[in-house]
Amino acid sequence: QQQVKQSPQSLIVQKGGISIINCAYENTAFDYFPWYQQFPGKGPALLIAIRPDVSEKKEGRFTISFNKSAKQFSLHIMDSQPGDSATYFCAVLYSGAGSYQLTFGKGTKLSVIP
Amino acid sequence: DARVTQTPRHKVTEMGQEVTMRCQPILGHNTVFWYRQTMMQGLELLAYFRNRAPLDDSGMPKDRFSAEMPDATLATLKIQPSEPRDSAVYFCASAAGGSEAFFGQGTRLTVV
Repeated sequence: QQQVKQSPQSLIVQKGGISIINCAYENTAFDYFPWYQQFPGKGPALLIAIRPDVSEKKEGRFTISFNKSAKQFSLHIMDSQPGDSATYFCAVLYSGAGSYQLTFGKGTKLSVIP
Repeated sequence: DARVTQTPRHKVTEMGQEVTMRCQPILGHNTVFWYRQTMMQGLELLAYFRNRAPLDDSGMPKDRFSAEMPDATLATLKIQPSEPRDSAVYFCASAAGGSEAFFGQGTRLTVV
C-alpha cells in the first residue's frame, strides 16, 4: 500500500505562473514532511520541509501548506522559472521507536515553459 | 565539502554477474539508506541502517540482494546474481538524527 500519494504526475506551467503539487498520506504517526527536488542525472536534494505542528512554511518562492486534519500537504512554487524544471518528490518520515523511515511519493515532473 | 559519495557512477554488467555498489556517507551521519529509482516505481526504499545496524531491509529481494556496513564510512549494496530487471539508478543517502537526508549522485546500473 502506498504510504504517500502524489499528484499530478506531470505539470506544465508558464514562466511566472504558480506550480502546485499535492500529496496525501494515511498514517498520522508521520512527523516530518519534506519536499525534494531532483534534476536529471543528480540525486534528490531537500528543498523545503515542515513539521505537523505548523500549517505553512515559506522559503523564498517555495511554500508548503499542511492540512493535518485532511492528511494532505502541498508545495507551491510562486513565479515559476525555467530553472525550476525538475522532478519533485514529497516524502513522509516516521522517526518513532528508534526508527527513521523516509518514504517518497512517485514524483511530479515539472516543466516551466518560457 | 560534506557529501555522500557513491561508486561507481555507472555500471554495465551481464546477467548473472555480481554487482557491488559502494557508498561513503557524510562523516558523523548515523543513518544510511539505500533507494532504487525506476520510471515505473519511483524511489523505493531497499534498506536502511542506524549506527551500522540494519533496521529494515524489507524492501530488498533477499535471495539476491544484500546490504552491509562494514564500518561507519562505508556501506555496500551487492546483487548476486544480477538480472535485467535490476537495471535502475541506486541511491545512497545519509542522515544525522531525525531530519534531512542527503543523497549521493547515484549508481546507474544496466544489466544486459
